[in-house]
Amino acid sequence: QKEVEQDPGPLSVPEGAIVSLNCTYSNSAFQYFMWYRQYSRKGPELLMYTYSSGNKEDGRFTAQVDKSSKYISLFIRDSQPSDSATYLCAMQGGSEKLVFGKGTKLTVNP
Amino acid sequence: GAVVSQHPSRVICKSGTSVKIECRSLDFQATTMFWYRQFPKQSLMLMATSNEGSKATYEQGVEKDKFLINHASLTLSTLTVTSAHPEDSSFYICSARGWTEYYGYTFGSGTRLTVV
Repeated sequence: QKEVEQDPGPLSVPEGAIVSLNCTYSNSAFQYFMWYRQYSRKGPELLMYTYSSGNKEDGRFTAQVDKSSKYISLFIRDSQPSDSATYLCAMQGGSEKLVFGKGTKLTVNP
Repeated sequence: GAVVSQHPSRVICKSGTSVKIECRSLDFQATTMFWYRQFPKQSLMLMATSNEGSKATYEQGVEKDKFLINHASLTLSTLTVTSAHPEDSSFYICSARGWTEYYGYTFGSGTRLTVV
């Protein structure tokens, strides 16, 4: 079993839809959970950062962490064509290394 | 916000030559820097971790003599691909960890290396 599992998609939604992206993990040592957005041929850009379990909201984005289920989610409300990108979950705990999911490619159609 | 500058963004070199990629944290001090490689439609693969003034720690399977990493200061790390071959063509990304809004990871914009 991989440490972090993420459905690579692709995921295609109409503009204005609510998008749900998810990752599961197996390492109980993970304490910090991040979501990055990566446009083609660019470096990842941090969207959300969460410590331990709980919810965090920032504008149209909401991150949820359920440590008991080892499951994290990112919700995007009122999705826009500019949200079209690859979304990577990343986790850290026990060492300095970030462990990434494979990334989910999202396309928001106008 | 935190910014990591990575140069060059794109480089083409001849087989057998060496290429240096530079990564700078512009507005914070990076206690640790990371170098990744990313293949098309794949996630980031960690190559090595470096701390200022120390030797880099390479991941299993990464040739340390081929991918030379120097972390000369708290704001600068370089990756040199030595004797490059076409199979080294890839997208290389650096990341710097330090105190910004949180003790987190900021990524550079990446370098696309093409070896011909």
